[in-house]
Amino acid sequence: NSKVIQTPRYLVKGQGQKAKMRCIPEKGHPVVFWYQQNKNNEFKFLINFQNQEVLQQIDMTEKRFSAECPSNSPCSLEIQSSEAGDSALYLCASSPTGGSENTLYFGEGSRLIVV
Amino acid sequence: QQKVQQSPESLTVSEGAMASLNCTFSDGTSNNFRWYRQHSAKGLEVLVSIFSDGEKEEGRFTAHLNRANLHVSLHIREPQPSDSAVYLCAVSTSSGSWQLIFGSGTQLTVMP
Repeated sequence: NSKVIQTPRYLVKGQGQKAKMRCIPEKGHPVVFWYQQNKNNEFKFLINFQNQEVLQQIDMTEKRFSAECPSNSPCSLEIQSSEAGDSALYLCASSPTGGSENTLYFGEGSRLIVV
Repeated sequence: QQKVQQSPESLTVSEGAMASLNCTFSDGTSNNFRWYRQHSAKGLEVLVSIFSDGEKEEGRFTAHLNRANLHVSLHIREPQPSDSAVYLCAVSTSSGSWQLIFGSGTQLTVMP
């Protein structure tokens, strides 16, 4: 069973509000991914880190999201100004190394509802 | 860019009958394929990882990979009602900073 811990499980925000989610990766996993899963089960890659460094992020993440993985603190993903289309399950995953041969282990997600 | 498609969208089987799920992908240069399972409102549980053509078994779950046909399948032996979930196929991108590309899933229902 995965030991990736995500909080909160649910959050409800009004349009324009900030929404912040946290993730504690599995111990010893330096690589962290964030994905957005919409109601149609479509996954969108948002950003990934190796230790505290951003490896890759999509344009949307650059502009409206902020994310970090500080040492000795949980990783976080924050939407600066929530929009209705941001309602989704946000999944954090960690991996033991940066190679694609390694499995991503997922947390249970934070479900964001924007009203 | 890698495209991943799954079929069928939904599948209902009786307890104990083999369940077979399909996944096709567009870029045959990828070499990492995984099947995940997601119970309602939960995170993803990895079932099988397969890296070369052929078969890989993990308990009751068996994956078959045929990269020439751009196809990977999952077979579930003796499914139980607790196996009812969404099954997701994930393919690693093969260039640059890697990430997983997911299919949109197969909803499996196992009837007692």
